[in-house]
Amino acid sequence: DAMVIQNPRYQVTQFGKPVTLSCSQTLNHNVMYWYQQKSSQAPKLLFHYYDKDFNNEADTPDNFQSRRPNTSFCFLDIRSPGLGDAAMYLCASRLGAESSYEQYFGPGTRLTVT
Amino acid sequence: AQSVAQPEDQVNVAEGNPLTVKCTYSVSGNPYLFWYVQYPNRGLQFLLKYITGDNLVKGSYGFEAEFNKSQTSFHLKKPSALVSDSALYFCAVRDPNAGGTSYGKLTFGQGTILTVHP
Repeated sequence: DAMVIQNPRYQVTQFGKPVTLSCSQTLNHNVMYWYQQKSSQAPKLLFHYYDKDFNNEADTPDNFQSRRPNTSFCFLDIRSPGLGDAAMYLCASRLGAESSYEQYFGPGTRLTVT
Repeated sequence: AQSVAQPEDQVNVAEGNPLTVKCTYSVSGNPYLFWYVQYPNRGLQFLLKYITGDNLVKGSYGFEAEFNKSQTSFHLKKPSALVSDSALYFCAVRDPNAGGTSYGKLTFGQGTILTVHP
């Protein structure tokens, strides 16, 4: 089945140690999103790609970076994780067509910072 | 700027009873509205959307929602709740007139925890 896949599902990293979370989608969607979600709060959009165009939210810390090497894959890099970065990270995708509306979410990666 | 409010942090219903999870929105033009459900340690699952047309939209798992433009609401409903419906529910809005980097952006409400008791 076509879907959004996130690996790993659970990630533990040390304070200040760089970490990369990965997302892939088999939906052939050209728009991909990264969200941060803390403690069952609303997901907070960090950035998104429309094709190769990167769009950063104004309040996303510089500590968060992203790469999209091809249509299917997107990575979230946290350069120096702090304790406050512990959260669930959600990847989503959408077909960037006028008639396409909903975003499809992956299962998430729960990041723990020790 | 677009915004969504879910006025109830928690909703508790008995199994078999009807349920309603409330959502109100604010957007400059005609909104695109969505409901998502999230089970523990899982991503968000799409339930239903309103784009245009009939104000009553039907979605997955027997859920439906009614778009009310005058009240700027999009309440989620189900005629008969199941214990398995217990989860976190998010309402989201998209402004179809938003352009540039905001194109296609969803704004989520704070979520409502639905608990269905046996």
